[in-house]
Amino acid sequence: AQKVTQAQTEISVVEKEDVTLDCVYETRDTTYYLFWYKQPPSGELVFLIRRNSFDEQNEISGRYSWNFQKSTSSFNFTITASQVVDSAVYFCALSEVSQGGSEKLVFGKGTKLTVNP
Amino acid sequence: EPEVTQTPSHQVTQMGQEVILRCVPISNHLYFYWYRQILGQKVEFLVSFYNNEISEKSEIFDDQFSVERPDGSNFTLKIRSTKLEDSAMYFCASKKLTGYSEAFFGQGTRLTVV
Repeated sequence: AQKVTQAQTEISVVEKEDVTLDCVYETRDTTYYLFWYKQPPSGELVFLIRRNSFDEQNEISGRYSWNFQKSTSSFNFTITASQVVDSAVYFCALSEVSQGGSEKLVFGKGTKLTVNP
Repeated sequence: EPEVTQTPSHQVTQMGQEVILRCVPISNHLYFYWYRQILGQKVEFLVSFYNNEISEKSEIFDDQFSVERPDGSNFTLKIRSTKLEDSAMYFCASKKLTGYSEAFFGQGTRLTVV
């Protein structure tokens, strides 16, 4: 079965620091998709990024960047110059396709990021 | 921007009562999901729904749970006889296509069973 591990339970940084959230996954699929979602204190899940297994290019979106390393089964997320509004729980997720063809997301346990002023 | 909407945002119910959680997925999406997050824990898959039938369900999704798309727009999750351990945030999600499209989540319904 697929598995996503986010070893960092909680991280606390001071505003303007860079912070990297780690994600390691396990899958037997050759084609798969990886995601990051943000859950702010209000509770909703906000989609941040999707990456497919064939695209190992790193991606940058403003202060956010993602490093996908297939060789180490990692999909890490870096926030540059963190801000208080970045405080949230961040979930890494892996898509899993069953034999019947249905698809679901397998989530990691999340990393709670606190950015202090 | 289209979004998935869930109602109510918070529901308190007595143990043993039936609850129905409602979701309106994004209109041109074809795949629908319910996920659950017990407070402080990870988000867990409950059920997927496509073409008016369940595609897959998890071990959590026992006979007490059912899903329905009664009118082509709403997507509901019913818990027949709630237990204390059903207290959680329930997220509805929808996606346009399988594979490369992302799932869009609603804001969640916090269910508290007392």
